[in-house]
Amino acid sequence: DSGVTQTPKHLITATGQRVTLRCSPRSGDLSVYWYQQSLDQGLQFLIQYYNGEERAKGNILERFSAQQFPDLHSELNLSSLELGDSALYFCASSVGQGINQPQHFGDGTRLSIL
Amino acid sequence: DAKTTQPPSMDCAEGRAANLPCNHSTISGNEYVYWYRQIHSQGPQYIIHGLKNNETNEMASLIITEDRKSSTLILPHATLRDTAVYYCIVSDRGSTLGRLYFGRGTQLTVWP
Repeated sequence: DSGVTQTPKHLITATGQRVTLRCSPRSGDLSVYWYQQSLDQGLQFLIQYYNGEERAKGNILERFSAQQFPDLHSELNLSSLELGDSALYFCASSVGQGINQPQHFGDGTRLSIL
Repeated sequence: DAKTTQPPSMDCAEGRAANLPCNHSTISGNEYVYWYRQIHSQGPQYIIHGLKNNETNEMASLIITEDRKSSTLILPHATLRDTAVYYCIVSDRGSTLGRLYFGRGTQLTVWP
């Protein structure tokens, strides 16, 4: 158990819809990261937050947005969903914001677009 | 982008040591080598990391060559539960940006 909690575990929806994925980091961790894993692209970094502030952006589409709340949990919002958005979405957390600390991953949310 | 090269697959007998190689010939002086693994669609799991010295923890050992251009992750007594995709990642120690760039990794299969 990594201590990172992601909900829901599975999500099935239709094209054009909007969904929200939630992540609770490990106790004491200030950084939250979001990653997307699809069959053809592998694990791709999306975005990082540290103590409520956005710190780094990766290959995140404009239809996607995220935020980190004062209690440090984070949400990833995906809108105008397309078939290609079907993927596993992982959240990770670490104590600090730099790469010199291990990241601890949740078990992911599997998003299926019909 | 991933700056490492790993074999796509390896196998190992249960109870034997699994040695997973990684080439990172363009590594710079302030970059760490990290290893993570992912067991069938679960979240990636941190294993170990190092800068220039060899490192050991309860999960594995990391051997980094003197020129730092390659490394080997050693699982001393592989079990069936070690079957997973293993990712070798090089990232900037000094960076405040924590993003990890995963390549395709090595699929390790441990057989009984």
